Amino acid sequence: GAVVSQHPSRVICKSGTSVKIECRSLDFQATTMFWYRQFPKQSLMLMATSNEGSKATYEQGVEKDKFLINHASLTLSTLTVTSAHPEDSSFYICSARNPEGHTEAFFGQGTRLTVV
Amino acid sequence: GQNIDQPTEMTATEGAIVQINCTYQTSGFNGLFWYQQHAGEAPTFLSYNVLDGLEEKGRFSSFLSRSKGYSYLLLKELQMKDSASYLCAFQDSNYQLIWGAGTKLIIKP
Repeated sequence: GAVVSQHPSRVICKSGTSVKIECRSLDFQATTMFWYRQFPKQSLMLMATSNEGSKATYEQGVEKDKFLINHASLTLSTLTVTSAHPEDSSFYICSARNPEGHTEAFFGQGTRLTVV
Repeated sequence: GQNIDQPTEMTATEGAIVQINCTYQTSGFNGLFWYQQHAGEAPTFLSYNVLDGLEEKGRFSSFLSRSKGYSYLLLKELQMKDSASYLCAFQDSNYQLIWGAGTKLIIKP
């Protein structure tokens, strides 16, 4: 089946620094990728939809200047958490769907971000 | 509007059967998914129903009734490793996934 790879799986950073998370689709071209955040014991919260070659679409309440998304190729999307603060600590997950059919979403392994 | 609802937590016994329900409301519908998520890990795909009826896949089965806005995930011969959260999500008219909050399933020996 299709595989989505996300890196890093865990990262600890200092307050005020920036962290980049990569999401790659390994065996299909993903024109669209999705970025989610998940706090403990809560469901997935869609942050933004990443579109190849164009600007990302952000959900209401998500700061586009804080969560920078770049989708420069058909297999790579990146999420950069800028000027991270402890409240940004969360589990970030990307997903992609094969554009050939609107079937299941494949998820990356997730990134556990801890801001100290 | 759109909404989706599933129980927060369920407990079952190893070897038994458990049914996790999911109800939804939407004007446009293009199928319903079930995912399993172990703590600290990403969700993994379990099933997809777009037509009414029961889809069986090994120990797991999923049912859909579009007229009732209702689905369930049936897990048979429960094993300890089935302890996880189970997420349902429907696909709306724009093929966007709308996620439930997840049901935490606790399996006891």
